[in-house]
Amino acid sequence: GQNIDQPTEMTATEGAIVQINCTYQTSGFNGLFWYQQHAGEAPTFLSYNVLDGLEEKGRFSSFLSRSKGYSYLLLKELQMKDSASYLCAVKDGDYKLSFGAGTTVTVRA
Amino acid sequence: DAEITQSPRHKITETGRQVTLACHQTWNHNNMFWYRQDLGHGLRLIHYSYGVQDTNKGEVSDGYSVSRSNTEDLPLTLESAASSQTSVYFCASSEGTGESDTQYFGPGTRLTVL
Repeated sequence: GQNIDQPTEMTATEGAIVQINCTYQTSGFNGLFWYQQHAGEAPTFLSYNVLDGLEEKGRFSSFLSRSKGYSYLLLKELQMKDSASYLCAVKDGDYKLSFGAGTTVTVRA
Repeated sequence: DAEITQSPRHKITETGRQVTLACHQTWNHNNMFWYRQDLGHGLRLIHYSYGVQDTNKGEVSDGYSVSRSNTEDLPLTLESAASSQTSVYFCASSEGTGESDTQYFGPGTRLTVL
């Protein structure tokens, strides 16, 4: 089975940095994804990690430690448009994804 | 441009009725997936397909069925709708090759069962 945990909500100020943690216990592991989902919209792909370490993509970075079953998504220079839910998902041995419940990030002015 | 579409975007139905939600992708992706999204549960996998004539059950498949007669479409059928199936349904597709094999999501269908 799959167990994926992430905080329910986080609040931060515009221009600040926020780190969203994700811990997982899964029966198989073939990579970890982060998706962004604005209210009423579809999830959109942000990042993919399969090896340990940090992947940087503009203002967003994602980190993975396979031995610890841990990942985080780092959002820098927060903007109002970053207010959304962020979904952590683990890919198993096939092509299936198991999702965490999502973290709602609210950016305040 | 290639895309993934879902229809209808909103649907209200009554308990016991059969409902079919459509999903169509023009990426020529091998893999297609159906999820439901409910508050507090995140996205849960209902059914998935790795190619034409292939279908598989996900973690919450009871009361749902799918068929894959061509590459582009994976319709989801609720055989006899129940109030517990009120949810937002997302279809996704992925290429089925490559290391990451990223899934791309359709816009979603909001289904209400009264």
